[in-house]
Amino acid sequence: SAVISQKPSRDICQRGTSLTIQCQVDSQVTMMFWYRQQPGQSLTLIATANQGSEATYESGFVIDKFPISRPNLTFSTLTVSNMSPEDSSIYLCSVTGTGYNEAFFGQGTRLTVV
Amino acid sequence: SQQGEEDPQALSIQEGENATMNCSYKTSINNLQWYRQNSGRGLVHLILIRSNEREKHSGRLRVTLDTSKKSSSLLITASRAADTASYFCATDGSSNTGKLIFGQGTTLQVKP
Repeated sequence: SAVISQKPSRDICQRGTSLTIQCQVDSQVTMMFWYRQQPGQSLTLIATANQGSEATYESGFVIDKFPISRPNLTFSTLTVSNMSPEDSSIYLCSVTGTGYNEAFFGQGTRLTVV
Repeated sequence: SQQGEEDPQALSIQEGENATMNCSYKTSINNLQWYRQNSGRGLVHLILIRSNEREKHSGRLRVTLDTSKKSSSLLITASRAADTASYFCATDGSSNTGKLIFGQGTTLQVKP
């Protein structure tokens, strides 16, 4: 398994600003992902964070709005840019690794945009 | 759109009773996973069942998988108030990318 530390756990932000969320894993992992969970909804995949290269975005998500970095095998950031109230969600980091198929999740970042 | 559909959407039971949640999906899979989420926090991994398995147990949890019907069920026996949470199924859509497709989830309330 993997232990994932995600920061911040929550934040209240003004519209038009940006927030960067950090995800730190205690071991090297193969895959890192970012998900969004809108209020009362299930999880939707935003993108796959690729080490040392541009992230791979799912349909409906773009790099300008959700820039992602992954400089090494244990760390990734997601930025929510130019925020609006519609971006109020829980954002979750997830990892899978060699030798196991399970996906493990961070505690999430609860973002409220006012 | 989400691949998984779960029912019921909400379930309320008394402590000590069993809770059964169902999940259906649309495409072939390599495996299916169940997660618990407490109060909008992170997801806790409960159990993974592979496509060639039909049943799996972990403590008070029992998961079944019927690939011919593209469905799975999660049974929690002898429920406790601490089991109150949202439960999600997630499939890999037969890809080996690690991406997950989540069901809509079942909200379980266990009354003391």
